[in-house]
Amino acid sequence: AQKVTQAQTEISVVEKEDVTLDCVYETRDTTYYLFWYKQPPSGELVFLIRRNSFDEQNEISGRYSWNFQKSTSSFNFTITASQVVDSAVYFCALSDMNQAGTALIFGKGTTLSVSS
Amino acid sequence: DTEVTQTPKHLVMGMTNKKSLKCEQHMGHRAMYWYKQKAKKPPELMFVYSYEKLSINESVPSRFSPECPNSSLLNLHLHALQPEDSALYLCASSPTFEAGYEQYFGPGTRLTVT
Repeated sequence: AQKVTQAQTEISVVEKEDVTLDCVYETRDTTYYLFWYKQPPSGELVFLIRRNSFDEQNEISGRYSWNFQKSTSSFNFTITASQVVDSAVYFCALSDMNQAGTALIFGKGTTLSVSS
Repeated sequence: DTEVTQTPKHLVMGMTNKKSLKCEQHMGHRAMYWYKQKAKKPPELMFVYSYEKLSINESVPSRFSPECPNSSLLNLHLHALQPEDSALYLCASSPTFEAGYEQYFGPGTRLTVT
């Protein structure tokens, strides 16, 4: 069965600290896609990144970086030098060929609080 | 422009009211979605429209009635709701209804049923 686990429910850090959000997934398919979304207090889910199962290259975008490891079924997200504006709920999600269309399987989310 | 708009932002309705939520996108996407999100929970898929036809209904009660008038618009008609239906309702769109495309979400409608 498909499943996404975000074991960290809440994380609190002080500004400028680095923080890593963990995501572990389960799927039987060899073709699948992983996503990270950010949900600030305003409520809108903001798309951050998509990674397909054939591309294990790590990704860096400004202060954000993602580490995809198929060997451990993980797709972790690191924020470097965190800022107060990074405070949000972060969701990891999975989409594979066993799901109808682009149905997303979300993890339960990690609430990140960054204090100044 | 990766914008999905939703109206209204907030809605308070009684259990006997009829109301509608609206969603619009102008990205040329052919798949549109309704999600329900309770506090401190991930979004739950309700409906999926692909090329203006209903493709998925996740066993949603009939008091929720979706409608897709055209490829840019998605409505959710509400009738005889229960207090437990109070939630954030999110609309999303993606280029097509195929695995692998990211979904773009609107800001949501915060619904309170009294």
